[in-house]
Amino acid sequence: DTAVSQTPKYLVTQMGNDKSIKCEQNLGHDTMYWYKQDSKKFLKIMFSYNNKELIINETVPNRFSPKSPDKAHLNLHINSLELGDSAVYFCASSQTDRPRDGYTFGSGTRLTVV
Amino acid sequence: AQSVTQLGSHVSVSEGALVLLRCNYSSSVPPYLFWYVQYPNQGLQLLLKYTSAATLVKGINGFEAEFKKSETSFHLTKPSAHMSDAAEYFCAVSEGMSNTGKLIFGQGTTLQVKP
Repeated sequence: DTAVSQTPKYLVTQMGNDKSIKCEQNLGHDTMYWYKQDSKKFLKIMFSYNNKELIINETVPNRFSPKSPDKAHLNLHINSLELGDSAVYFCASSQTDRPRDGYTFGSGTRLTVV
Repeated sequence: AQSVTQLGSHVSVSEGALVLLRCNYSSSVPPYLFWYVQYPNQGLQLLLKYTSAATLVKGINGFEAEFKKSETSFHLTKPSAHMSDAAEYFCAVSEGMSNTGKLIFGQGTTLQVKP
């Protein structure tokens, strides 16, 4: 039973389209995150929600909008996709927003914008 | 603000040889430190963590790391490399109890294991 699951695993789309990535965790964690991994494998945090409340909002274009309907779900919607949005997007969760135990990561969504 | 530097983007060792992956951190408060491994086309898996208890931390798959405050380092070691250890390794830091828990990752080190 997958702890942090993301869908879809692969996403190929054209520039200008709008797309969403979904994430669900069944660990009972309070905090969820979105990270972006670029082509050089560098990981950068985008957003974090704690019990449905946005607590981290890094410098991300406002075309990216997260939404957390409940503490087990964190979705990422991207408007007007650009070539530079191509990357692997990882969802993660942690017990609290002070993660002594680190994060549990999903397997990633590889987004390719053509 | 905290930061992480991983020295060496690529490390190549022979099977059975010692693995040493270097990580130095910068943090204004006592940090939490982590090592993650990423296999191709997979997510990140936690190898081990330091959260202010014992300075020598043992993790999964025979890996361990030592927290050295004086050197601001948290290097990852394994006595004998296996072919299955070939992967990308990430060091990460968070600011412990004093701030929101975002992890800041190093740029990663690709470990190649030669037969």
